[in-house]
Amino acid sequence: DGGITQSPKYLFRKEGQNVTLSCEQNLNHDAMYWYRQDPGQGLRLIYYSQIVNDFQKGDIAEGYSVSREKKESFPLTVTSAQKNPTAFYLCASSIATPQETQYFGPGTRLLVL
Amino acid sequence: AQSVTQLGSHVSVSEGALVLLRCNYSSSVPPYLFWYVQYPNQGLQLLLKYTSAATLVKGINGFEAEFKKSETSFHLTKPSAHMSDAAEYFCAVWPTGGFKTIFGAGTRLFVKA
Repeated sequence: DGGITQSPKYLFRKEGQNVTLSCEQNLNHDAMYWYRQDPGQGLRLIYYSQIVNDFQKGDIAEGYSVSREKKESFPLTVTSAQKNPTAFYLCASSIATPQETQYFGPGTRLLVL
Repeated sequence: AQSVTQLGSHVSVSEGALVLLRCNYSSSVPPYLFWYVQYPNQGLQLLLKYTSAATLVKGINGFEAEFKKSETSFHLTKPSAHMSDAAEYFCAVWPTGGFKTIFGAGTRLFVKA
């Protein structure tokens, strides 16, 4: 079955710690995205990548970093500079540009200890 | 700036009643429009998509939406609500030529027995 997987489902971060959220897709999509979801605020774009080895900042990139070394993988690191990281993080992919349908993973909920 | 407004953060209907979820967008040119559904603790999945081919768009699970350019609206409807429709619904717009999809804040649908 083709799809997007995210791991872990829940992640706990200690103060000052960097944590990495995994996102893998086997849909052969070129574009991948990371969104942050907070109650009542919809989805906000953190980073996106349209092709391997290239990515751009979204609306709320501060305190986050990404890499895109393989077409299938787009990990997100939440750094210690992100002071309010508690949220639901969603990874998505699309064939190419955002006018195409985006396919979402099941999400990772990040909590701060 | 492009934006999406979903009227009503919560909507409650009785089982069997009409579902109407409102979405208005701002865009200087006809955009691509989407409705996504999110069940608790899951990612989003596409309900339907408008790409200018037809103003009335039919989606999955009996939902449909009508694009009204004069009203800049793309409201989602379903003639008869089912308990399984209880979820959060997101309207989204991809402004033609833009680099990102803009999501509304979401409307949570409750279905009463």
